[in-house]
Amino acid sequence: AQTVTQSQPEMSVQEAETVTLSCTYDTSESDYYLFWYKQPPSRQMILVIRQEAYKQQNATENRFSVNFQKAAKSFSLKISDSQLGDAAMYFCAYRSPYRLSGSEKLVFGKGTKLTVNP
Amino acid sequence: GAVVSQHPSRVICKSGTSVKIECRSLDFQATTMFWYRQFPKQSLMLMATSNEGSKATYEQGVEKDKFLINHASLTLSTLTVTSAHPEDSSFYICSASVGLAGDNEQFFGPGTRLTVL
Repeated sequence: AQTVTQSQPEMSVQEAETVTLSCTYDTSESDYYLFWYKQPPSRQMILVIRQEAYKQQNATENRFSVNFQKAAKSFSLKISDSQLGDAAMYFCAYRSPYRLSGSEKLVFGKGTKLTVNP
Repeated sequence: GAVVSQHPSRVICKSGTSVKIECRSLDFQATTMFWYRQFPKQSLMLMATSNEGSKATYEQGVEKDKFLINHASLTLSTLTVTSAHPEDSSFYICSASVGLAGDNEQFFGPGTRLTVL
């Protein structure tokens, strides 16, 4: 079974600075999807960024980018120019391709609480 | 687009009663819906996957008779916690994916906080 590990329970960053959240995963599959989700105090889960394992290019979405190291099974999230609204729980998640697993199941890490200091 | 709602957002009930939580896709037809449980300061754990018109697929360790899931239409799935007890108190989140079964994005509802006294 796949597992996702987020080793940083909490992180803090100064407004306008850059922060990197770590995520590692364990899988025997070569094709899969990785995600970062944001859960603000409202508890609404929001997709931040998605990466397909077969793509070598790291995904980016505005101020959010990932460092995907497939051989190391590492998938870190970099938030640039941090804003107060970025404060939230961030969850890393893994999903097998449907054609392999017959499922769209997401496996989540335990999350990292990000605090943004003004 | 791709909005998922849940009702109620918060419910408090007495031990032994049953509670129904609704999950609706407001602007799309969801072929698959998912139910997660999140304990305080912990991650989301998938409870079950439901497809419209068929029985839900439960994850290992989840009691089917305890957590009844009905996916009667392409826009509505319900989770009923039967004979709720204090240990069932948790945050329940649903999500829905659009399109044919495959590698679709999941859109999450805002969650329902259940407190069993």
